Amino acid sequence: GQQVMQIPQYQHVQEGEDFTTYCNSSTTLSNIQWYKQRPGGHPVFLIQLVKSGEVKKQKRLTFQFGEAKKNSSLHITATQTTDVGTYFCAGQGDSNYQLIWGAGTKLIIKP
Amino acid sequence: ETGVTQTPRHLVMGMTNKKSLKCEQHLGHNAMYWYKQSAKKPLELMFVYSLEERVENNSVPSRFSPECPNSSHLFLHLHTLQPEDSALYLCASSQDSYNEQFFGPGTRLTVL
Repeated sequence: GQQVMQIPQYQHVQEGEDFTTYCNSSTTLSNIQWYKQRPGGHPVFLIQLVKSGEVKKQKRLTFQFGEAKKNSSLHITATQTTDVGTYFCAGQGDSNYQLIWGAGTKLIIKP
Repeated sequence: ETGVTQTPRHLVMGMTNKKSLKCEQHLGHNAMYWYKQSAKKPLELMFVYSLEERVENNSVPSRFSPECPNSSHLFLHLHTLQPEDSALYLCASSQDSYNEQFFGPGTRLTVL
């Protein structure tokens, strides 16, 4: 079946360092969405990418969708403590109603 | 955020109990979802309803039974659960299948 692999599982950074998480799909996606889940919270939608090669920015967050629409990345510049949480990608595949979720990357700020 | 609410927030039940989880969305969305979130696992989609019709059922055991009486409410009826069913159960809604999903706070379920 369709799968979305997300790496790394965890990333420990010093505050102020950058963070990147990557997603790769086994099949071409119609769109990909990114969500953030704070500790003890629920996933919150960040952005949706639809076009091949699309790049979108939200302040310190940069989202990319690959040319083949099979991979995506989220890059955070100069992390802050408010960035702590787990970042999930979710791709829309063949089924109209099913998002295929990555396992998430947990961002941990070193004390 | 109060767009999607879930009750109860926490639930402890024995394996022989019957309980129900409730989800309500106040966003006028057409699709509603049940997810299971276990530690160290991706979000698992359980059921999808679109305009009150079930459109996805991802091989979920029959001890989980969904109900969607109208487009604003979604229930998950639980009976004879197993300890491995302990997890966070999340409800979500979206305007349609291609839009972003809005999640409720979840029900933390513990099966003893």
